[in-house]
Order: sequence, then structure tokens, then C-alpha cells
Amino acid sequence: GQQVMQIPQYQHVQEGEDFTTYCNSSTTLSNIQWYKQRPGGHPVFLIQLVKSGEVKKQKRLTFQFGEAKKNSSLHITATQTTDVGTYFCAGPEGSGNTGKLIFGQGTTLQVKP
Amino acid sequence: DTAVSQTPKYLVTQMGNDKSIKCEQNLGHDTMYWYKQDSKKFLKIMFSYNNKELIINETVPNRFSPKSPDKAHLNLHINSLELGDSAVYFCASSLTRDSYNEQFFGPGTRLTVL
Repeated sequence: GQQVMQIPQYQHVQEGEDFTTYCNSSTTLSNIQWYKQRPGGHPVFLIQLVKSGEVKKQKRLTFQFGEAKKNSSLHITATQTTDVGTYFCAGPEGSGNTGKLIFGQGTTLQVKP
Repeated sequence: DTAVSQTPKYLVTQMGNDKSIKCEQNLGHDTMYWYKQDSKKFLKIMFSYNNKELIINETVPNRFSPKSPDKAHLNLHINSLELGDSAVYFCASSLTRDSYNEQFFGPGTRLTVL
């Protein structure tokens, strides 16, 4: 079946270092969403990418959607302790008319102050 | 005002018991979901309702039964609880069933089966 893979599973960085998580889909996606889950919290929507090659920025976060719309990445510049959490990418299953999202396994980011 | 709320937040129970988790959203959304998050943080959809109609029913044991009395509420009843049911269960909602809509998650219910 359709799969969304995310790497790495864990990343420990020193505060101020950069961080990147990568997301790969087994199928072409109409769109991809990114969510952040703080420790003990719930997933919170960050952004959606729709167009091939799209790049969006939110302050220190840069999101990219691949040209083939099968991969995506999230890059955080100069991490801060507030960036700690698990980052998930998610893509719709099939035609996307059920709302069903296939989530990647998540990348858990730890930031050492 | 909480957008998506769930009760209870924690649920500790014995194997074999029956329990329910309730979810309510005040966003006026049409579509609601139940997700299970295991100890490795993997998020897997279980069910989805659109305007009270079941539209997603994943391969889940039939001990799990969702119910949507109206489009603002989605409950999850679990019969004969097993150790493997221990997880965090998240309710979520979206404006419509279209995949372009972001999903809003509730705070989660941490279920521990002893």
C-alpha cells in the first residue's frame, strides 16, 4: 500500500545548529502537510505544500516540496529549545477525497541548550 | 475556547473492561477522525465520519466501535480491552473531507490497559 517514510527517526542537535527532516512518498502526492507535536502534546498543523518545487518559509523553518511531488523536507535554521518535538509529514491517500492522511513515522528533535 | 476537546485525558483500566472516549469540536467542521498513536509515536487513522456518515473504517478489531450522534461529536467505544490497546487516542476534525484541509487534533486520551 501507499507509504510515507521519514528520516531520521531521531536527531539530537546543539542549540544553534541546523536541522533537517526528509519525507518520501511511495506515490505522487497532490499535497503534503507538516505537523509538529510537542512532548506530551498533540499534533499541530504547520503548513501545506501543493505545487511542484514549492518552497515556503515560516521564520526559521523552510519547507520544500519536490519537483516530482514525492518528497518533501523541513529545514530549521539555528535551532532553539522551543523547536523540541516530533515533526510529521503527511500525504493524502489515493485521490484524497476521504480526508485520509498517511503520516510518516515522525522525526523527534532534541535540542541541547 | 477549546476547538477539539476529548474526555477523559487519562484512562487506566483492567483487561477485559469496556470503555468509551468522547470527542467534541466547536469549529463547525464536517469531518472528524480517530487516530491511534503507539509508543513509537506512529500515528494511524482508525475511523473517519463526514456529517455523521462513516467514510473511513480501517483494519481495526471490531471491538472498536465509533459513533457520531451529530457532526460535532465523535465517540469511540472499546469492548473487551486488551493490553495492546494501550496507546494515545487522538480525535481530529477538518472543515471537509477534502485532503487539502488541515486537521485539528484534540489533546489526546492516554489509555493504559493493565
